[in-house]
Amino acid sequence: QKEVEQNSGPLSVPEGAIASLNCTYSDRGSQSFFWYRQYSGKSPELIMFIYSNGDKEDGRFTAQLNKASQYVSLLIRDSQPSDSATYLCAVNDKLIFGTGTRLQVFP
Amino acid sequence: DTGVSQDPRHKITKRGQNVTFRCDPISEHNRLYWYRQTLGQGPEFLTYFQNEAQLEKSRLLSDRFSAERPKGSFSTLEIQRTEQGDSAMYLCASSFPGGLAGELFFGEGSRLTVL
Repeated sequence: QKEVEQNSGPLSVPEGAIASLNCTYSDRGSQSFFWYRQYSGKSPELIMFIYSNGDKEDGRFTAQLNKASQYVSLLIRDSQPSDSATYLCAVNDKLIFGTGTRLQVFP
Repeated sequence: DTGVSQDPRHKITKRGQNVTFRCDPISEHNRLYWYRQTLGQGPEFLTYFQNEAQLEKSRLLSDRFSAERPKGSFSTLEIQRTEQGDSAMYLCASSFPGGLAGELFFGEGSRLTVL
């Protein structure tokens, strides 16, 4: 079992829709969770972090954490074509990454 | 200071040769990380430094890989006797003291192709 698992996608959503990206992790002791965005040919950049159970909102992005289920998600509201990228879930401070989910937002 | 700088950006080498990559972190960033990323995969943690001390090294990292950060500023990653399986993008990242743990600033990467 991989430490951090994501569906590789692609996840295709129409412009204006909500994109829902999911991630599960195996280490029950994990304390910190991050979402990085990686455009094709570019390096990852941090877009969200969450430490506590529940929801955390920042603009169009909402991160959700459920430690009991070992589950993290990222919701992107009002998706735009510019959101098309690979979204990487990462766990713990030294960042154990999942494989990433490729999101495609079509006009 | 525009960000994390990595050199060279691309390296093509023959199997069995040694290669070295350099990373210059953002000024005053005391933590420096090395990751490896292959196509369709997320970055894989290799090692990290706090100042000049190498605090952790992935158990997946073979003895052919060595990293240094001699003065707590730039870092080098050397791969000896390269193999075709070493072909990947090698990413360097840094973070600043007192900043959000897990907020890493990545360089553009050094792409290695082993023929």
